[in-house]
Amino acid sequence: KQEVTQIPAALSVPEGENLVLNCSFTDSAIYNLQWFRQDPGKGLTSLLLIQSSQREQTSGRLNASLDKSSGRSTLYIAASQPGDSATYLCAVRRPETSGSRLTFGEGTQLTVNP
Amino acid sequence: DAGVTQSPTHLIKTRGQQVTLRCSPKSGHDTVSWYQQALGQGPQFIFQYYEEEERQRGNFPDRFSGHQFPNYSSELNVNALLLGDSALYLCASSAQQGAGDTQYFGPGTRLTVL
Repeated sequence: KQEVTQIPAALSVPEGENLVLNCSFTDSAIYNLQWFRQDPGKGLTSLLLIQSSQREQTSGRLNASLDKSSGRSTLYIAASQPGDSATYLCAVRRPETSGSRLTFGEGTQLTVNP
Repeated sequence: DAGVTQSPTHLIKTRGQQVTLRCSPKSGHDTVSWYQQALGQGPQFIFQYYEEEERQRGNFPDRFSGHQFPNYSSELNVNALLLGDSALYLCASSAQQGAGDTQYFGPGTRLTVL
């Protein structure tokens, strides 16, 4: 059974700081890994998707890496801003033949202080 | 292009009642998945519908059932509501043939069971 863990559970940083969020998964047989952002009481916004054959993906100030063999992914946020405050979730998708079901971690709640 | 839409936004029910939640997928998507997110936790997979059939199911009791219509929209039904069913219910859509595509989530329906 796939289990996804995110560390830390909560993080508070001053504006402008670079930061790293961690995600680990127990079964390396994944199809892809996705990072989401969730604002309080809202739905999920997809940030980055990394296919199992890829090592990293970048979008603006965000960079996500994937080390499938060790079961780890990181989300790097550069020059953090108060608007980055949200909960960040990672999710892994099982291999293609098993459908597109996602298994989520419990998230990291990020607060960026002005 | 409208994204994933869900209705209603909020719902309050009492124990033992039944509820129906609705989801319209993003244009061009034919697969709908439902997730339950309890407060402070990551989303948990309930089931997935494709071609009007349930294709995958998570670890949820038979009180949770669903339906997909020919226009790809979907309903989630929960019978005999329990206090523990209080959660944010998220719908996600994707394209079955685009196996690597990002899953898009709706804003969710907040269900409160009293």
